Amino acid sequence: EAGVTQSPTHLIKTRGQQATLRCSPISGHTSVYWYQQALGLGLQFLLWYDEGEERNRGNFPPRFSGRQFPNYSSELNVNALELEDSALYLCASSSDGWVQPQHFGDGTRLSIL
Amino acid sequence: QKEVEQNSGPLSVPEGAIASLNCTYSDRGSQSFFWYRQYSGKSPELIMSIYSNGDKEDGRFTAQLNKASQYVSLLIRDSQPSDSATYLCAVNSGGYQKVTFGTGTKLQVIP
Repeated sequence: EAGVTQSPTHLIKTRGQQATLRCSPISGHTSVYWYQQALGLGLQFLLWYDEGEERNRGNFPPRFSGRQFPNYSSELNVNALELEDSALYLCASSSDGWVQPQHFGDGTRLSIL
Repeated sequence: QKEVEQNSGPLSVPEGAIASLNCTYSDRGSQSFFWYRQYSGKSPELIMSIYSNGDKEDGRFTAQLNKASQYVSLLIRDSQPSDSATYLCAVNSGGYQKVTFGTGTKLQVIP
């Protein structure tokens, strides 16, 4: 069974640019979650999508947005990039909203110059 | 009070010893509890899921859940240097339909 896949592995941007990160969940999983993990810090919840709808959102500004497609894949968009957006962005999927465990992809490391 | 609390560590144990990692949570309605292992620079990996009171064993790992006291723990027997990582506790909050992660406990197994 293929796991959660994320692309790209690394992404280098400059301040003010936009970044798009992509995630494909495990087959059969309908829920996709996005997290930000800055170096040495814990997971910060960004967004949760289920069945194409945004179900919950963490305490992040509106320039962090995303969507889920009919095939349950998802993308995270970050506009007007700032230096502090440099982090590992992790996508996870689960077969339901919150009872079953989340399974993580390898992440996208976003670096802002 | 944080929703999910863990001691940040580091917790240092000698090789071969039992490592005990603890996690407390605030929502009495929580139903699902998970332990993840995260190596530095890598993504979290699911180790154990536990849903009912008591112990659940999987190899060298044992998860213990006590809903009355609102804590969940992870025991690692015969600790190995390869177990050195940060261990994350995650708890669902049924009423709010979300899973909350603790900040993690860093474990160091000393050869």
